[in-house]
Amino acid sequence: GDSVTQMEGPVTLSEEAFLTINCTYTATGYPSLFWYVQYPGEGLQLLLKATKADDKGSNKGFEATYRKETTSFHLEKGSVQVSDSAVYFCALMDSSYKLIFGSGTRLLVRP
Amino acid sequence: DVKVTQSSRYLVKRTGEKVFLECVQDMDHENMFWYRQDPGLGLRLIYFSYDVKMKEKGDIPEGYSVSREKKERFSLILESASTNQTSMYLCASRSGDGRSYEQYFGPGTRLTVT
Repeated sequence: GDSVTQMEGPVTLSEEAFLTINCTYTATGYPSLFWYVQYPGEGLQLLLKATKADDKGSNKGFEATYRKETTSFHLEKGSVQVSDSAVYFCALMDSSYKLIFGSGTRLLVRP
Repeated sequence: DVKVTQSSRYLVKRTGEKVFLECVQDMDHENMFWYRQDPGLGLRLIYFSYDVKMKEKGDIPEGYSVSREKKERFSLILESASTNQTSMYLCASRSGDGRSYEQYFGPGTRLTVT
């Protein structure tokens, strides 16, 4: 079945460092891809999405590009802030319009 | 703004108790979902509903049931709570009009079964 694999955390960075969180997927066809973020004590919220190959999703300085050839959707940010500390989930939407999530990656940004 | 609320942020129950988790959304969404979130496992879908009185099993429905009597409310029921159901439970809703893929999540209920 469809699945999402993302890098294990925690990822610990200093403020203003470059961030990459890897995400790869296995699916039939070309699913829509998403990054969700969960701040401490809160539910998940959509960070960005891409619905077809080569699309780039972006929001709040974060970016991810839908790479069909490598079945990847890596999350990047050029300069992280302490306020970016959260858990990040990569997800795909399957053919039944259900979301399948990766295991989540905790990001800790130190001042 | 879409708002999804859950009845409790923290809940402690004893083994064998019947537990109700309530979720309410205010955006007239057709689709509603219940997930559980466990460290290292991400979110796993328990049940979802496409419309009032409609329900579908997700990936891990065993030990759970659901009820959707009104469009805005989706309840998760643990008929006889067990310690392995200690987890964070997240509710979500989504429009059914096909134009939006975004799921909106509630803040979660952390359930501890002792």
